[in-house]
Amino acid sequence: DAGITQSPRHKVTETGTPVTLRCHQTENHRYMYWYRQDPGHGLRLIHYSYGVKDTDKGEVSDGYSVSRSKTEDFLLTLESATSSQTSVYFCAISEGYYEQYFGPGTRLTVT
Amino acid sequence: DAKTTQPTSMDCAEGRAANLPCNHSTISGNEYVYWYRQIHSQGPQYIIHGLKNNETNEMASLIITEDRKSSTLILPHATLRDTAVYYCIVSTDNYGQNFVFGPGTRLSVLP
Repeated sequence: DAGITQSPRHKVTETGTPVTLRCHQTENHRYMYWYRQDPGHGLRLIHYSYGVKDTDKGEVSDGYSVSRSKTEDFLLTLESATSSQTSVYFCAISEGYYEQYFGPGTRLTVT
Repeated sequence: DAKTTQPTSMDCAEGRAANLPCNHSTISGNEYVYWYRQIHSQGPQYIIHGLKNNETNEMASLIITEDRKSSTLILPHATLRDTAVYYCIVSTDNYGQNFVFGPGTRLSVLP
C-alpha cells in the first residue's frame, strides 16, 4: 500500500458539530483528493489539491472545506455536520496523470 | 452526464478469463480510458489505462476498439480475490473534476 493514512477511521458525531478528517501521505505526491462514497453511487470528488495551499472544488463540494498547509497533509472539514454527510470518505494521492492511490477510508456517521 | 456505461453485474468462473465491457461513445481524442477496482470496502485500486493502443500489465489487459467508443478489461485467469466492483473512467487527466467514478460493474468470481 502507498503510504497514506486517514484519521480517524471511524467517527460518530452529532448534527451541527464541526468535524475534521485528516489525510497524511509519506510519498511526497503533488496531488491529493477527497472523495465520498455512498450506497448506489460510485466515488464522488469533494475537493482536490494540486499543491500546498492550492485547492479546487470537485463535484460535491457544498458543505465542505479543505486545507493543505504541508505537502503531506490534506484536511477535510465539515463546518456543521448534517445527516446527509454520513458517508465513507476516501483520501487519494497521485503524482501525475495515471494512478491514484487510495487510503483506507473514514466511516463518518452524523446522528 | 455519464461518460461511460457498464453492466451492473457479471459473474465469472474461477480460472476463466473475465471480460468486462465499457461503452464510451462520446470519448474525445485526448481522453484516456482508466480502470480501477474496489474490493469490498477498501479504497479503489488502479488497474490499467490506455489511449488508443491495447495495453497489458501484470494485472490485466485493456482492449480499446479502433473507433475508441468502447473497451474491454480482461482479467486472464480470474481468482476469487478478483471479486470486486470495477470502474471504467474516461478523462483527459487523472485529477480534478473530470475524473468521475460511476457505479461500476460488480464482478463475482465463482468457485
